[in-house]
Amino acid sequence: AQKITQTQPGMFVQEKEAVTLDCTYDTSDPSYGLFWYKQPSSGEMIFLIYQGSYDQQNATEGRYSLNFQKARKSANLVISASQLGDSAMYFCAMREGRGSTLGRLYFGRGTQLTVWP
Amino acid sequence: DTEVTQTPKHLVMGMTNKKSLKCEQHMGHRAMYWYKQKAKKPPELMFVYSYEKLSINESVPSRFSPECPNSSLLNLHLHALQPEDSALYLCASSQPWENTGELFFGEGSRLTVL
Repeated sequence: AQKITQTQPGMFVQEKEAVTLDCTYDTSDPSYGLFWYKQPSSGEMIFLIYQGSYDQQNATEGRYSLNFQKARKSANLVISASQLGDSAMYFCAMREGRGSTLGRLYFGRGTQLTVWP
Repeated sequence: DTEVTQTPKHLVMGMTNKKSLKCEQHMGHRAMYWYKQKAKKPPELMFVYSYEKLSINESVPSRFSPECPNSSLLNLHLHALQPEDSALYLCASSQPWENTGELFFGEGSRLTVL
């Protein structure tokens, strides 16, 4: 079974609008971390936001927020006020185990976001 | 600007060549990683070094040989590669003990094998 599922291969949003990128995960480990990375065409993977399994509040970082629904095992990324520079591939990822030292990240297949003027 | 620097950014090599990819970070991280990413696919873990020792080898063919000369440097030596090895190779680093486990990635080395 896939650990991370991203069901939206592509998403389109108009500039200044909000967009939600879906992510569901599968784990039996009570301790895990969820990450979102952005990958522009240049190739660099840019860390956006992190949510720990024990965190009570949804994570927020500027225009990025993570809608964490633990019972549904979903960790959707919400980008508010989209900008043209947000056009990129977005990956959801998960690390299992508290304090894992090995950084083994399980990635979803990604969602290609296109922001149009 | 990324704090993980990879060189070269682009590499074209024949199947009989020997080349190396280099990665450098100065964030004091003690875990470093190599990932391989094919077009339109997620990154796949290849190797993990923790405190300069190889911790994980994800059954990578021996034509890929990693090396970690010190805590700031990570190399990937390439020999007798196949065309299907053409991909983006991403280096990453992190602090092994941080619970968030956030990985900092470089911009990658785009490899083409002819």
